Amino acid sequence: GAGVSQSPSNKVTEKGKDVELRCDPISGHTALYWYRQSLGQGLEFLIYFQGNSAPDKSGLPSDRFSAERTGGSVSTLTIQRTQQEDSAVYLCASSLEAGYNSPLHFGNGTRLTVT
Amino acid sequence: GQSLEQPSEVTAVEGAIVQINCTYQTSGFYGLSWYQQHDGGAPTFLSYNGLDGLEETGRFSSFLSRSDSYGYLLLQELQMKDSASYFCAAVIYNQGGKLIFGQGTELSVKP
Repeated sequence: GAGVSQSPSNKVTEKGKDVELRCDPISGHTALYWYRQSLGQGLEFLIYFQGNSAPDKSGLPSDRFSAERTGGSVSTLTIQRTQQEDSAVYLCASSLEAGYNSPLHFGNGTRLTVT
Repeated sequence: GQSLEQPSEVTAVEGAIVQINCTYQTSGFYGLSWYQQHDGGAPTFLSYNGLDGLEETGRFSSFLSRSDSYGYLLLQELQMKDSASYFCAAVIYNQGGKLIFGQGTELSVKP
């Protein structure tokens, strides 16, 4: 596709429910990143993939968060038993390769609201 | 820990020049990137400094000094459309291009 696509764009869920957020990276991009942005804040790193493997999961806030990537393309971020503090915009980015000078291309994000 | 400090907000007038500073304390620092984010939009890449010195891209320039753990983004001939948040981000060595972001600087350009 032309850019990174994320779905849904908005998600409202009740506390305790599970949610799945989807990211479709730019075709041919091997690296994929998940970030979280709270209102007026910077971007908090969650996890990145090189191909289908995740060398760095250090940013996942708790074991309620998990992510996978299949076929070196689409990635899903799953949050189990959502809490109100999980409310944020979840941003996905892809880059041509997991390199130092490979710009990240971000999607428009999924705005998650936990009520 | 890993942290980047930048001013929370800056205001300037159309046509002026503005500099947004960024100081960092990160282990495994490899380079400094800058991203722009308009309200409600996706962050977009502006520049990358892997070496000390100035990088120029049109109206935008970015500078890095490793010895001072400091960088800045310089925006010239400001336009109203430059009103946005600007984030510096440290690229971390040997972590797959992972970026650690600052909290962002909100730039308001006034007529």
